[in-house]
Amino acid sequence: ELQLVESGGGLAQPGGSLRLSCASSGFTFSSYWMHWVRQVPGKGLVWVARINSDGSSITYADSVKGRFTISRDNAKNTLYLQMNSLRAEDTAIYYCVREDSKHAFPFDDWGQGTQVTVSS
Amino acid sequence: DIQMTQSPSSLSASVGDRVTITCRASQRLASYLNWYHQKPGRAPKLLIYAASNLQSGVPSRFSGSESGTDFTLTISSLQPEDYGTYYCQQTYGPPLTFGGGTRVEIK
Repeated sequence: ELQLVESGGGLAQPGGSLRLSCASSGFTFSSYWMHWVRQVPGKGLVWVARINSDGSSITYADSVKGRFTISRDNAKNTLYLQMNSLRAEDTAIYYCVREDSKHAFPFDDWGQGTQVTVSS
Repeated sequence: DIQMTQSPSSLSASVGDRVTITCRASQRLASYLNWYHQKPGRAPKLLIYAASNLQSGVPSRFSGSESGTDFTLTISSLQPEDYGTYYCQQTYGPPLTFGGGTRVEIK
């Protein structure tokens, strides 16, 4: 069974750091592009970052560029999001998402999400 | 950035009703448009990919269409389990943007 399980969320102070992890199982992780998407509870979905299958191509949303770093360890089947210089507006549920390779590259599997709260 | 304008923002319909949700893109997307359904407290689930292709396991009452920069999600006969919020998403180019969502309530 395909699974994406996020961890690492929690409370951080403004200017602080957190590292999210997403452990995958049930599919060949190294073959897929992966993404992070966030959502303030009660609000819409916002794409954060993506990484290609071997980690050589990375793209960020402008709102996190220079502060967040997406990475992956294909030997450990794990996706990461290093979050530095955190701001109150980074407070959200963060989802780890798999991108399917079929036309329009849909997000075909999502983790359950991990809550990040930035507050003093 | 490509803007995705989704309408309506909310609707209330009865079981058995035909429901239509629209998403307008700020430019042509060459069918790089997907639809998702999210129930409260749950992660989103893929319904339709590439504007009109039904994801495996999704009931056939869901369908999608494209006309220029306008995209439509149709539920042919609304069921009780279809409550929640529906989102469109463009994957034509980064940033990969979502529509604002349509909240569907069952009367």
